[in-house]
Amino acid sequence: DAGVTQSPTHLIKTRGQQVTLRCSPKSGHDTVSWYQQALGQGPQFIFQYYEEEERQRGNFPDRFSGHQFPNYSSELNVNALLLGDSALYLCASSLAGQGEETQYFGPGTRLLVL
Amino acid sequence: AQSVTQPDIHITVSEGASLELRCNYSYGATPYLFWYVQSPGQGLQLLLKYFSGDTLVQGIKGFEAEFKRSQSSFNLRKPSVHWSDAAEYFCAVVSGGSYIPTFGRGTSLIVHP
Repeated sequence: DAGVTQSPTHLIKTRGQQVTLRCSPKSGHDTVSWYQQALGQGPQFIFQYYEEEERQRGNFPDRFSGHQFPNYSSELNVNALLLGDSALYLCASSLAGQGEETQYFGPGTRLLVL
Repeated sequence: AQSVTQPDIHITVSEGASLELRCNYSYGATPYLFWYVQSPGQGLQLLLKYFSGDTLVQGIKGFEAEFKRSQSSFNLRKPSVHWSDAAEYFCAVVSGGSYIPTFGRGTSLIVHP
């Protein structure tokens, strides 16, 4: 049973650049959520995708956007990177309508913005 | 709005000693409650969850947690800590409808040999 996978594991970018992070949900899951975890903090909700649509969004600027593909995998895009975007980005998956309150997390992508 | 407080930033215990990590939540109704563990450089692993029923829930790795409505608490416990338990522990609450967890800032567990 494949768990949540994310790529890449690490990434270094410079200010102003754009970045794309990828996530494949746990087998059988159809909902993907993205979180930002700054150093020493708990994860903060960015947005959630279901049926290829953004279903919910946290308090993040429009520079953060996403996409979900028909196979339920997802991308997180961040434009015009700021130093403060340096963080661990976590993807989590769940199954809508069946225990969707329980999310399963991937290992994360660590982004460093210089 | 729901919120979670983990009052202890760091907890240090000796291997073999008992452990209790505190979590308090703020939410009107009974929420869904979770504990996750994060090893260095890793994602979050679900330890246990509470939805309803028996207020003492058992999880993986020998952990348990007790829901106390009167204290709005969901403390995590383990009777005997192993060195491999050293990690960051996060409490999370999900309120009905949104299914989006709100996390506490975490408690870092340090285990001395």
